[in-house]
Amino acid sequence: SQTIHQWPATLVQPVGSPLSLECTVEGTSNPNLYWYRQAAGRGLQLLFYSVGIGQISSEVPQNLSASRPQDRQFILSSKKLLLSDSSFYLCAWSVGGTSGFQETQYFGPGTRLLVL
Amino acid sequence: DAKTTQPTSMDCAEGRAANLPCNHSTISGNEYVYWYRQIHSQGPQYIIHGLKNNETNEMASLIITEDRKSSTLILPHATLRDTAVYYCIVIGYSSASKIIFGSGTRLSIRP
Repeated sequence: SQTIHQWPATLVQPVGSPLSLECTVEGTSNPNLYWYRQAAGRGLQLLFYSVGIGQISSEVPQNLSASRPQDRQFILSSKKLLLSDSSFYLCAWSVGGTSGFQETQYFGPGTRLLVL
Repeated sequence: DAKTTQPTSMDCAEGRAANLPCNHSTISGNEYVYWYRQIHSQGPQYIIHGLKNNETNEMASLIITEDRKSSTLILPHATLRDTAVYYCIVIGYSSASKIIFGSGTRLSIRP
């Protein structure tokens, strides 16, 4: 069966420091991968999605970036964190393919980031 | 993607069926109804989805009205672990389906 991992689970970082959050998926090949964030008590905001290695689409321009160095690995990064980056970051995957993005998305456990 | 409307909160007695309604009156023909839930401080969990037929899996049943303008998620025997925020969303087949959660329904299960 497929599983999705995110780490770390929680992270406290100072303003201006770099960020690297990692997401990996097991049990499937060539998945579509997504990064979302969720402010407290709010809905999801799609940040990036990827249909393959090295292919990244950005939904919201900001100081974050994403990379997909391997088929089942998705990384969210920042060179300099802002206070407003404090949030709950979620990675998700769906079955890849040419049929589009309608496939059910499955979420990881999330990383709670606090920027001080 | 079509907008959905859900009650802000509901409660249900443990062991009873929990029926969560959702209105999606502007749904179009190629849009699916999806249900997710989110337990506090965890990632959203997929529950079920459907197009126009009723669906059932090990977690829940989804009843979609004939005109597809509303649906009901049924948890047949609610337990305390079903306490969560439940999100009803509509996703088109051909669109890049960024999942947009509304405010959802906060379901509380009372012992």
